Amino acid sequence: EAQVTQNPRYLITVTGKKLTVTCSQNMNHEYMSWYRQDPGLGLRQIYYSMNVEVTDKGDVPEGYKVSRKEKRNFPLILESPSPNQTSLYFCASRDRGTNEKLFFGSGTQLSVL
Amino acid sequence: DAKTTQPTSMDCAEGRAANLPCNHSTISGNEYVYWYRQIHSQGPQYIIHGLKNNETNEMASLIITEDRKSSTLILPHATLRDTAVYYCIVSSDSGGANNLFFGTGTRLTVIP
Repeated sequence: EAQVTQNPRYLITVTGKKLTVTCSQNMNHEYMSWYRQDPGLGLRQIYYSMNVEVTDKGDVPEGYKVSRKEKRNFPLILESPSPNQTSLYFCASRDRGTNEKLFFGSGTQLSVL
Repeated sequence: DAKTTQPTSMDCAEGRAANLPCNHSTISGNEYVYWYRQIHSQGPQYIIHGLKNNETNEMASLIITEDRKSSTLILPHATLRDTAVYYCIVSSDSGGANNLFFGTGTRLTVIP
């Protein structure tokens, strides 16, 4: 089954403790991205990747890192989480052709205390 | 990319057609209209997209006005499972850094 898999589904951590949210897709998609969703603000893009070893900032990249060492994986790294990064996070992927639809993961609810 | 305006919320009776409007008066010639929906806190799900012609698939129909400044997503027979937030997005989708701006969408509630 074609899917985008994120882990964990829920995560509670404390300020300053490094964490990684994993994202993996099994559709051989070149494009992957991370979004965060906050009440009243919709989905905002954090980082995206056009292909392996190619990443770029989205609208709200501060406090986040990503890497794309393999095509299928696109982890989101919070080196020193802060409470304002408490949010619902989504990973998405799509094929490279024009007008290809985005496939989203099921989300990671992160709480930073 | 052009931005969109959608009503904050709508209700629809179960079994009736749900018509969700979207205004995109600043849309440019190469921008497509996309619709996604998000059920509760799940990941958004693609519904349909179009450029200027009306489109239909197994989930919905998309009606785009001739001047392309607005569009309507139609769910022909709404069910309770269609209760969700619906996002109307316009994007040039250059094939490059396509960042779809999701906004806050329309919360559709299907009433039994």
